[in-house]
Amino acid sequence: SQTIHQWPATLVQPVGSPLSLECTVEGTSNPNLYWYRQAAGRGLQLLFYSVGIGQISSEVPQNLSASRPQDRQFILSSKKLLLSDSGFYLCACNANGGTFGAGSRLTVL
Amino acid sequence: QQQVKQSPQSLIVQKGGISIINCAYENTAFDYFPWYQQFPGKGPALLIAIRPDVSEKKEGRFTISFNKSAKQFSLHIMDSQPGDSATYFCAASKSGLTLTFGKGTMLLVSP
Repeated sequence: SQTIHQWPATLVQPVGSPLSLECTVEGTSNPNLYWYRQAAGRGLQLLFYSVGIGQISSEVPQNLSASRPQDRQFILSSKKLLLSDSGFYLCACNANGGTFGAGSRLTVL
Repeated sequence: QQQVKQSPQSLIVQKGGISIINCAYENTAFDYFPWYQQFPGKGPALLIAIRPDVSEKKEGRFTISFNKSAKQFSLHIMDSQPGDSATYFCAASKSGLTLTFGKGTMLLVSP
């Protein structure tokens, strides 16, 4: 079965600082990988997905970027955080029957 | 444009009762309909899923009912327990690439 590791679990960052959230996957090879942001009462918003190394699709324009340097590694980044980037970020693999990580809670002050 | 509409936003059910959460979709190309359960501070976990060639799927106390002509599907939790208190999300995918989620239902099962 698939296992997703996300870190850090919690992060408090000042406005304008950079961001790097990491996600690694175990138990599968060549997975589709996803970054979601979850806001209270608004469900899960798909930010990026990747079907392979170096392949990134962006679903919404934003201040964030994603990279996939290895088959089972997915990174969410920002050069300068905004207040509106605060939220709960979830990494997931494979849409159908897929698995979510435990999430990273980002607070931008 | 919200492609998957979920209702109600919140639900309170007495222990032992039946919890029912409904979803409606617009895109007839969707071919996979999962339900996820999420506890506070945790990631969503796949609960049960159905494909449109089946009208009902049951796993333990959880049942999905699917109405292809009405473009609706629902989650029924039988004999609801306090441990079922969580947020539930319906979703739909097309060709297994991405999932479109409903906005979620907060379920509280009172003892």
